[in-house]
Amino acid sequence: GAGVSQSPSNKVTEKGKDVELRCDPISGHTALYWYRQSLGQGLEFLIYFQGNSAPDKSGLPSDRFSAERTGGSVSTLTIQRTQQEDSAVYLCASSMGTSGSMGNEQFFGPGTRLTVL
Amino acid sequence: AQKVTQAQTEISVVEKEDVTLDCVYETRDTTYYLFWYKQPPSGELVFLIRRNSFDEQNEISGRYSWNFQKSTSSFNFTITASQVVDSAVYFCALSGTTGNQFYFGTGTSLTVIP
Repeated sequence: GAGVSQSPSNKVTEKGKDVELRCDPISGHTALYWYRQSLGQGLEFLIYFQGNSAPDKSGLPSDRFSAERTGGSVSTLTIQRTQQEDSAVYLCASSMGTSGSMGNEQFFGPGTRLTVL
Repeated sequence: AQKVTQAQTEISVVEKEDVTLDCVYETRDTTYYLFWYKQPPSGELVFLIRRNSFDEQNEISGRYSWNFQKSTSSFNFTITASQVVDSAVYFCALSGTTGNQFYFGTGTSLTVIP
């Protein structure tokens, strides 16, 4: 079956522009995560969606970042007024349920490499 | 607090050597899960193993083995007879019953030299 897909794979934008990154989770997975990975760094949690529950936005670094998940499936991460420090790889992951209580592993997409000039 | 520490930033070994990647975690949860992921140069993270806090049995899968010790809050990963294809960044991660997050370590970059 298909894994987690993300688009675009690469995005180059100018400082101050808005960008949208897309994630298609594995079919049937109710949990969806967004992470940011800066060059040579670990994974920074951004936001978590679980079913129809309110998302956990505790990792979003600023109000320029937002995300939504439509119909419990596809998710879009939006970065407004991009800054050079936003340059990173943005990773999406999905899992069967709440990773915390069920210990379900997350399956990751290939990521979107964002470069802000 | 939930935290994962991978003290080894980079490791280089010669092919066929054994190598152990260290992972130390902190959690207040009594039920929690530990994971290892591999991130090859292609960039996509690959799930390797999950272990719950009630199962301290060591696990072996081919050349990979994991040593979980609650007494030292460690979940170390050993690759036996390393191969060039093992070259990657390896992440240890923790999830608990508090909150929704996975807590990732900063990763260990392993280079296997032919």
